[in-house]
Amino acid sequence: SQELEQSPQSLIVQEGKNLTINCTSSKTLYGLYWYKQKYGEGLIFLMMLQKGGEEKSHEKITAKLDEKKQQSSLHITASQPSHAGIYLCGADRSGAGSYQLTFGKGTKLSVIP
Amino acid sequence: DADVTQTPRNRITKTGKRIMLECSQTKGHDRMYWYRQDPGLGLRLIYYSFDVKDINKGEISDGYSVSRQAQAKFSLSLESAIPNQTALYFCATSDTGTGDYNEQFFGPGTRLTVL
Repeated sequence: SQELEQSPQSLIVQEGKNLTINCTSSKTLYGLYWYKQKYGEGLIFLMMLQKGGEEKSHEKITAKLDEKKQQSSLHITASQPSHAGIYLCGADRSGAGSYQLTFGKGTKLSVIP
Repeated sequence: DADVTQTPRNRITKTGKRIMLECSQTKGHDRMYWYRQDPGLGLRLIYYSFDVKDINKGEISDGYSVSRQAQAKFSLSLESAIPNQTALYFCATSDTGTGDYNEQFFGPGTRLTVL
């Protein structure tokens, strides 16, 4: 089965700073999903990447899927307190169409005003 | 109104009690899922259902059962709760029509504590 490793496990940044979170897979990624979770709350879908080299942006958050499709990065530009939370990556468990997501353990982001 | 709702939001119970967690969705999705989240272990899939007559075990189904009462409703039961089932439980839905990809929409979670 597919394993997803996220790094770092936690991150504390000053407001206004840029940051990057990585998600590395033990297998080829067919669909990679980024979610954000406020502590103790539900997951909010951020974006999905499918193709090697694909890059998507939403407001100040950019996600990329590398060409080999085994790693994704999430980059936040000019961080704000509203960006604080837990970021999780998820991937189709055993290839495209499996319909079961496996998740990384998450990266906890704190933004200091 | 939220698209995916879960009840209760918080529950404290005792070992051996039967507990039911409920999930309802207004998104019109066929697929529904139950996950649990534990610190340090991330999200793990308990059960999933592709339609009312199709229910499947996930990676950690022991000690749990589910019921898909209608397209919009998916319940998770703990027949005899034990302390290591203390966790944050999430329901999620996804749409059949997305082809090979599986964007899932999550409810707000139920925090369950088993004493």
